Amino acid sequence: DYVMTQTPLSLAVTPGEPASISCRSSQSLLDNDGKIYLDWYVQKPGQSPQLLIYTLSYRASGVPDRFSGSGSDTDFTLKISRVEAEDVGVYYCMQRIEFPIIFGQGTRLEIK
Amino acid sequence: QVQLQESGPGLVKPSQTLSLTCSVSGGSISSFYWSWIRKSPGKGLEWIGYIYHTGSTFYNPSLKSRVTISLDMSNNRFSLKLNSVAAADTAMYYCAGGRVLAFEMWGQGTMVAVSS
Repeated sequence: DYVMTQTPLSLAVTPGEPASISCRSSQSLLDNDGKIYLDWYVQKPGQSPQLLIYTLSYRASGVPDRFSGSGSDTDFTLKISRVEAEDVGVYYCMQRIEFPIIFGQGTRLEIK
Repeated sequence: QVQLQESGPGLVKPSQTLSLTCSVSGGSISSFYWSWIRKSPGKGLEWIGYIYHTGSTFYNPSLKSRVTISLDMSNNRFSLKLNSVAAADTAMYYCAGGRVLAFEMWGQGTMVAVSS
């Protein structure tokens, strides 16, 4: 199975400041079709998880453009250009290039 | 807008079968991949398995021997059965779906406790 490792496990950010979460996969997520099957989700307090970024860098519908995803075969980054209070939650990366689908352990974002 | 809603018992006895249903409204079940995902207390998200509208399935090997996911096209819903449950199966269970295996839409989740 793939192992997805996120760092840091928690971070506290001042509103208006940027934030960055890293995710590393134990194997390449680059498929033969040239796509990287890495997604990002956030679970806000009291809510279900919601899709932020799919296939490495595509924002899901309704996601603000201050969220961006990037990376290469095994190393990925979710960036928030300017954190807002509503961004509090646990962020997960997820690989879906191969079954079983595996999530990272999650990164908790708090506001200072 | 497609909406998902889980339903089922909130308490299951050890060794019995956990059964949940996800009702899909606002869209056809015949167009997407449908999955079950759970989150145990203090742990992260665990993908249980998926079913495609053709009926094809794939289950997490860690649960494969105990899991069945099925479709009910006539009622626009899909279901999860997990056999021989134990305390470790206590979790919030979510149904989710998407045009590919990214989970574009999620239910609100239903908490299931395994206890005698």
